[in-house]
Order: sequence, then structure tokens, then C-alpha cells
Amino acid sequence: DAKTTQPNSMESNEEEPVHLPCNHSTISGTDYIHWYRQLPSQGPEYVIHGLTSNVNNRMASLAIAEDRKSSTLILHRATLRDAAVYYCILRVTSGNTGKLIFGQGTTLQVKP
Amino acid sequence: DAGVTQSPTHLIKTRGQQVTLRCSPISGHKSVSWYQQVLGQGPQFIFQYYEKEERGRGNFPDRFSARQFPNYSSELNVNALLLGDSALYLCASSLEGVETVSGNTIYFGEGSWLTVV
Repeated sequence: DAKTTQPNSMESNEEEPVHLPCNHSTISGTDYIHWYRQLPSQGPEYVIHGLTSNVNNRMASLAIAEDRKSSTLILHRATLRDAAVYYCILRVTSGNTGKLIFGQGTTLQVKP
Repeated sequence: DAGVTQSPTHLIKTRGQQVTLRCSPISGHKSVSWYQQVLGQGPQFIFQYYEKEERGRGNFPDRFSARQFPNYSSELNVNALLLGDSALYLCASSLEGVETVSGNTIYFGEGSWLTVV
């Protein structure tokens, strides 16, 4: 199964931008890159996803490298509520199954 | 609109017992997936169902089974519970078509916390 590699933890100051990196060197052409985050005692929350082009939504931006072997989730202004575990995931399609393969994720701490 | 709902939210079982966890997907979503999340780890894929048929199965023993009903709700059953089955069980739903599987957003419920003693 395709895997992703993320730093175990990162720190940020409140109201500053945060760049969360992810490596996925074994990505295949049909794998989408998804980002989810998980607060303590809650289910994962969708953040953003993309295939080849950079993507923006109200929560974040996703920058995808030209060779697609890495990507970066950008939180433009971190708030205390953004403190969570962030998962970079490859949505793998095998036959008709679209499963998510989670890694360990990056624990983001936001300091006031 | 309601999100993905799961029940029960918390439960405690004894080793060897059986448990059934329930999930209602977002209205209109025909695909339901189940994930197990052990404390300190990321969720692990267990099953995916689409239109009442099993689409995929993760690396879990046969003690784990699931089904999807005509209204697209789903149940996850675990037999002969072991201490190691203690985890957060997450249900996720999505709009799923054969051509657009990878690009669809998956929405998770809050999970069912299972403790096996």
C-alpha cells in the first residue's frame, strides 16, 4: 500500500502561517492526496484534497509538488482550535475500493 | 443535515463476548467504511461497503464482519472479543461512484469507543 511520511510533531504561534509537509514518493497516478485532522476524542475531520493542482478552500491550501511525490498543507493563520493531529493520506483505489491509508500524522501545537 | 451518526458512543465488553456497532451515513451517501483506531495510532481500514456489497476488506481476522442495509446504514460485528480489540471504531460515508472513488470526500462519525476487559 502506498504510504506517506510526516514529521511527528510541529509547533506554531497563533495567527502565524503553518506549513505541514508530507512525503509520498510511492504515489501512483490515480491516488488523490487527502488531508484530515483529528481533535482529541473526535473522529477525523476532512480538510482538503487534491490530485495534481494546488487547491484552496476556506480551511486551508494544499500545495502539490510537480512530481506529486510530496505535498504541503498550509494553514494561513493558525488558531488555537487548529491544534490537532493532521493526517496526510493517499486515497488508494484498488478495484472499486477507495480506502484511506492513515499514517501516524503530525501533531500540531499552537502557542498563544 | 445530520452527519454520520454512530451508536453506541461508549461500551464495555468482556473478553469472548460479541459486539455490534451501528452507523447511519449522511443522507444520500451509499458507501460506508469502517476503521479501527487504537490509542496513539492512526485509523486502520477494516471494511468498505457500497450498495450493500463488500467493496474491500483490510487485514483483520474473520472475527470482524459487517453488512450494509437497504437504507445504506451499516453494522460492524466483532466476535470473540480480545483485549486488543479495545479501540475507537470509526464509521465513514461518502458519495461513491466507480469512476470517482479517489476524489470523493469521506466524512467520519465521532466513533464508538469499545473497551474490552
